[in-house]
Amino acid sequence: GQQVMQIPQYQHVQEGEDFTTYCNSSTTLSNIQWYKQRPGGHPVFLIQLVKSGEVKKQKRLTFQFGEAKKNSSLHITATQTTDVGTYFCARTVPNFNKFYFGSGTKLNVKP
Amino acid sequence: DGGITQSPKYLFRKEGQNVTLSCEQNLNHDAMYWYRQDPGQGLRLIYYSQIVNDFQKGDIAEGYSVSREKKESFPLTVTSAQKNPTAFYLCASSVSLRWVEDEKLFFGSGTQLSVL
Repeated sequence: GQQVMQIPQYQHVQEGEDFTTYCNSSTTLSNIQWYKQRPGGHPVFLIQLVKSGEVKKQKRLTFQFGEAKKNSSLHITATQTTDVGTYFCARTVPNFNKFYFGSGTKLNVKP
Repeated sequence: DGGITQSPKYLFRKEGQNVTLSCEQNLNHDAMYWYRQDPGQGLRLIYYSQIVNDFQKGDIAEGYSVSREKKESFPLTVTSAQKNPTAFYLCASSVSLRWVEDEKLFFGSGTQLSVL
């Protein structure tokens, strides 16, 4: 249906290693958003990508939107323990205020 | 401080009981939402409302009901018809009822509902 598929479900890394989560859709997306949920917390908006091939950076986080606008990725360089949490991608439905979330990738960082 | 307040943080439901989860926002947002979060399944949309006195079903509305009598408030009732209510419930809001390209969700801190 309207959901987006997200992989992997879990990722355990050593502090300092890189991390990537992927979000895929069978249909063309109008945009993609990324949220982070810390353990015991609530999702917090990180970024939105709109244009085909768009790349945005936030410090150690790099967000990409595919050329066909059917996939997106979030890459964290040199993870830190503060990166621990679940990362969700979300698609939005144009003309309606509806947001559909991926199943999330839970990141654990070992110090 | 502006934000979304959910209460209670933890809630227990007995068999056959209806329970109501509170969600209040002072962000002056038009749109409000209820999501259910189960481990490994992400967030699933229960109900959403784009304006006072109007709301629409999401993907998993069965066993739930909502009201939107005031702009600031969007309570969710988990009825006895919801056979598997144990989950983390998140309320959210967004600015406008009209689609804006940079629309995003603001979440409350959630309510963990468990069945006794």
